[in-house]
Amino acid sequence: GAVVSQHPSRVICKSGTSVKIECRSLDFQATTMFWYRQFPKQSLMLMATSNEGSKATYEQGVEKDKFLINHASLTLSTLTVTSAHPEDSSFYICSARDETPLSNQPQHFGDGTRLSIL
Amino acid sequence: GEDVEQSLFLSVREGDSSVINCTYTDSSSTYLYWYKQEPGAGLQLLTYIFSNMDMKQDQRLTVLLNKKDKHLSLRIADTQTGDSAIYFCAEILDSSYKLIFGSGTRLLVRP
Repeated sequence: GAVVSQHPSRVICKSGTSVKIECRSLDFQATTMFWYRQFPKQSLMLMATSNEGSKATYEQGVEKDKFLINHASLTLSTLTVTSAHPEDSSFYICSARDETPLSNQPQHFGDGTRLSIL
Repeated sequence: GEDVEQSLFLSVREGDSSVINCTYTDSSSTYLYWYKQEPGAGLQLLTYIFSNMDMKQDQRLTVLLNKKDKHLSLRIADTQTGDSAIYFCAEILDSSYKLIFGSGTRLLVRP
């Protein structure tokens, strides 16, 4: 079945560091990927929609200069948290839209990245 | 705007049935979904229901949809300790393929 690989699974770094998270669709092409953020004991909050070959579409309240998204190929989207601070610590999850006709899964999810900023 | 609501917590004994409820707002969603999230992991699609269906059964899982009341439920029969997790209902916005998630229900199964 369709698989999405998210890397790294866990990052711990100092305040001010920029962190890049990768999201890959392993056996299918994804023109659209999504990035979510999840705070402890809360739901997934959509941050942005990543479109291959064009600019990402950010949800209201999400700083595009803080969370840089690049979707340069049909199998890879990256999220870079620039100059991360402790308040950016969270669980980040990506997903890839399944465009297969008659697919019953709208999106395939990665396993998430736990980001901890000291 | 879109809003999906769930009760936050449910505790059941092993072997009992669990019922997790959800209300949604976008009546145009084609599909409604149930996802399971175990600690520190991503989301696993459990089941889904097409909007013109009232019920769908898949092994231990039964989904009921009341479109008039915009109410969705997930029943887990013979709940096991391995079912302990957070369960999210979600509706899809057909125009953008975005998933709108509920707040999640934490299910605790007691031995």
